[in-house]
Amino acid sequence: DVKVTQSSRYLVKRTGEKVFLECVQDMDHENMFWYRQDPGLGLRLIYFSYDVKMKEKGDIPEGYSVSREKKERFSLILESASTNQTSMYLCASSLTANTEAFFGQGTRLTVV
Amino acid sequence: AQRVTQPEKLLSVFKGAPVELKCNYSYSGSPELFWYVQYSRQRLQLLLRHISRESIKGFTADLNKGETSFHLKKPFAQEEDSAMYYCALSGWGWGKLQFGAGTQVVVTP
Repeated sequence: DVKVTQSSRYLVKRTGEKVFLECVQDMDHENMFWYRQDPGLGLRLIYFSYDVKMKEKGDIPEGYSVSREKKERFSLILESASTNQTSMYLCASSLTANTEAFFGQGTRLTVV
Repeated sequence: AQRVTQPEKLLSVFKGAPVELKCNYSYSGSPELFWYVQYSRQRLQLLLRHISRESIKGFTADLNKGETSFHLKKPFAQEEDSAMYYCALSGWGWGKLQFGAGTQVVVTP
């Protein structure tokens, strides 16, 4: 059974803090994704990675960066958190392009 | 540009009634289309994908390339179908998985 695990369910951070969201998958998947989920906007892709150290910007990369040093781990970094980054963040992985994506349980981030 | 449109934010249906969730897409090549579902307090999960042509939990979806649509249908809605449904698109060899805004389905007894 594929497991995608996000390190925190809930986070509260202050404006201007550097925030790290961690995601680990245990099925040797090539692709990993970070989305944010907002009511009425659906899931918007922030970044995705198709291999170690490889990354591509998604639709809303501004204010975010990512790191993939190992195949199983994909980190999302908020360089300087702002209140408009308050959201639910979802990590996902898939074996290859066009195969099923498996999602983590989500991290609810609140920036105050 | 690639785009997935789900025009309905909320669908409210009675138990036993048919339900159809609309999804339209724009993509210049041959896309892979998916429906994902998120039940209350559960993680997002795959419901079905067009290439498998399966019926999952009584749901079916047909890819209409002429109308660039991938509507999800079920002839008789059940209360356990209440959830948020997302249509998603991935291009072959592309890897990026793009979602629509989602449709909340509420099935009332």
